[in-house]
Amino acid sequence: GIQVEQSPPDLILQEGANSTLRCNFSDSVNNLQWFHQNPWGQLINLFYIPSGTKQNGRLSATTVATERYSLLYISSSQTTDSGVYFCAVERTGGSNYKLTFGKGTLLTVNP
Amino acid sequence: KAGVTQTPRYLIKTRGQQVTLSCSPISGHRSVSWYQQTPGQGLQFLFEYFSETQRNKGNFPGRFSGRQFSNSRSEMNVSTLELGDSALYLCASSWGTGSTNEKLFFGSGTQLSVL
Repeated sequence: GIQVEQSPPDLILQEGANSTLRCNFSDSVNNLQWFHQNPWGQLINLFYIPSGTKQNGRLSATTVATERYSLLYISSSQTTDSGVYFCAVERTGGSNYKLTFGKGTLLTVNP
Repeated sequence: KAGVTQTPRYLIKTRGQQVTLSCSPISGHRSVSWYQQTPGQGLQFLFEYFSETQRNKGNFPGRFSGRQFSNSRSEMNVSTLELGDSALYLCASSWGTGSTNEKLFFGSGTQLSVL
């Protein structure tokens, strides 16, 4: 099956700093989504972005499908940004409803 | 609009027992997926239902099963529980029609502990 690698595995920031999280995948995809899992376990959908660039407030994401990677940018980080960020994909030709998740990046934002 | 609702939030069972978890999708969503999350294996796809039919299946043993009702609510069942089944079980819903920008929305999960 498709392989998804996220980096870095852990990241510690001071409030106000910027960060970039990376997701590499091993095959072409027709579906790529970024999620944030908060300390209570809730997974929140951040972006649906199989290609191109999107922005939502302090967050933005870019997927370069031809080079098989996606980046999630967090600017002016806040303590509430803490948690685990997951990238999830479905390879081209597969179902849109059977996502393969990466292991995640654990982000800690200190006040 | 209410989100994805999972019940119960916590469950404690003993080995050999069976368990049923429930998931109510966002109103109008017809696709319900289930995922298992453990510290060792991460998030793994169990199965997906659409219009009361299992449309996709992951690589889990037959002890894991599910169903979907006509109102799109879904249940998953695990029989003959093993210690390794201890996990956070997450349900997700979406429209299910394969349209562009179709996001997956998750519930808060059911934390299952098998003793």
